[in-house]
Amino acid sequence: QSALTQPPSASGSPGQSVTISCTGTSRDIGAFNYISWYQQYPGKAPKLIISEVSNRPSGVTARFSGSKSGNTASLTVSGLQAEDEADYYCASFVDYDSWLIGGGTKLTVL
Amino acid sequence: EVLLVESGGGLVQPGGSLRLSCAAFGFDYSNAWMHWVRQAPGKGLVWVSHINSDGSTTTYADSVKGRFTISRDNAKNTLYLQMNSLRAEDTAVYYCARDKSYAMAVWGQGTTVTVSS
Repeated sequence: QSALTQPPSASGSPGQSVTISCTGTSRDIGAFNYISWYQQYPGKAPKLIISEVSNRPSGVTARFSGSKSGNTASLTVSGLQAEDEADYYCASFVDYDSWLIGGGTKLTVL
Repeated sequence: EVLLVESGGGLVQPGGSLRLSCAAFGFDYSNAWMHWVRQAPGKGLVWVSHINSDGSTTTYADSVKGRFTISRDNAKNTLYLQMNSLRAEDTAVYYCARDKSYAMAVWGQGTTVTVSS
């Protein structure tokens, strides 16, 4: 059970777009469309921002979008704002009712 | 309001046991899948365990298999994590989460477990 692979850091200036990748295998990301993304501020609980590859829960800004190609999922944050500075994690359902979470990406707004 | 409240964390010696609880409010708990996820100090999130709505199916990360047991009491709207043979590397904040469409849709505030002599 290796974690999904995310870049440790990403950055962008206010107003720009940033994409964070999440790479898995044909047993997890490549096999299922149950990919989710979470935002976490320091000292706080994570918050779901994307489910099922590209679905945004009610109340989540449309500046967050998700996609998937093969064994790689991506989160794009458009129109970067200072409040987007946080840690972001991807997760995927895996066979036999288990889940994997990525190592996390620290997003810095320059 | 949908709310999850964890409790039961604390300091325990290596080899010891601890039981975490997660009280659920504001949703149909008896029909919800649930998860435990942990986060070691300064590290990322790690999925720990999952249980289906009636408790008949449970799954675990390899790192805790055979030592941790997830269970639930639907009459009390409460989720549990029994942790035995604890190790230093189990030190973490433990979160419970409600599943929706195979995602962890709602999270509790977490409870801290420290394994140290």
